[in-house]
Amino acid sequence: SAVISQKPSRDICQRGTSLTIQCQVDSQVTMMFWYRQQPGQSLTLIATANQGSEATYESGFVIDKFPISRPNLTFSTLTVSNMSPEDSSIYLCSVGVGADTQYFGPGTRLTVL
Amino acid sequence: GDSVTQMEGPVTLSEEAFLTINCTYTATGYPSLFWYVQYPGEGLQLLLKATKADDKGSNKGFEATYRKETTSFHLEKGSVQVSDSAVYFCALSLYNTDKLIFGTGTRLQVFP
Repeated sequence: SAVISQKPSRDICQRGTSLTIQCQVDSQVTMMFWYRQQPGQSLTLIATANQGSEATYESGFVIDKFPISRPNLTFSTLTVSNMSPEDSSIYLCSVGVGADTQYFGPGTRLTVL
Repeated sequence: GDSVTQMEGPVTLSEEAFLTINCTYTATGYPSLFWYVQYPGEGLQLLLKATKADDKGSNKGFEATYRKETTSFHLEKGSVQVSDSAVYFCALSLYNTDKLIFGTGTRLQVFP
């Protein structure tokens, strides 16, 4: 398994601003992912964070809105840019460990006013 | 496309009742199947998984069997506790992609 931490755990932000969320893992992992969980809904994959190259984004998500960094094998950041109330969600990072298994961080609860 | 369908919640049970949460999937190829649990105010935790047909995943008294013929992965527990109250997500990952596709989640409420 892997121990994953996220910062901040929650934040309240004004529309038009940006927030950067950090994800730290206690061991080196190849695969890191970012998900969004909108209120009362399931999780949707935003992108795969690739170490040493650009992130791979899912349909409906773009780099300008959700820039991602992956400077090494234990750390990644997701920025939510030019926020609007529709961006209010829980943002979770996850890591792939072993075959087919992902472990999730505790999430960052974002509220945009 | 590939998808996961779960029964709508909330599921409300008394303590020690039998639990079934239905999950069916649509996928090309042979996915791996998972149940994740989200306790109130916490992140997702992997509950159990199965990687091939007829495999049974089990953990903490919960079980689910990978049924290829019915494309199902129903979650069961013989005797639920109040502490099992949470949201349960069924998910699949496609071979060689590492991407998880989640169902909508089912909220379980257990009363004493």
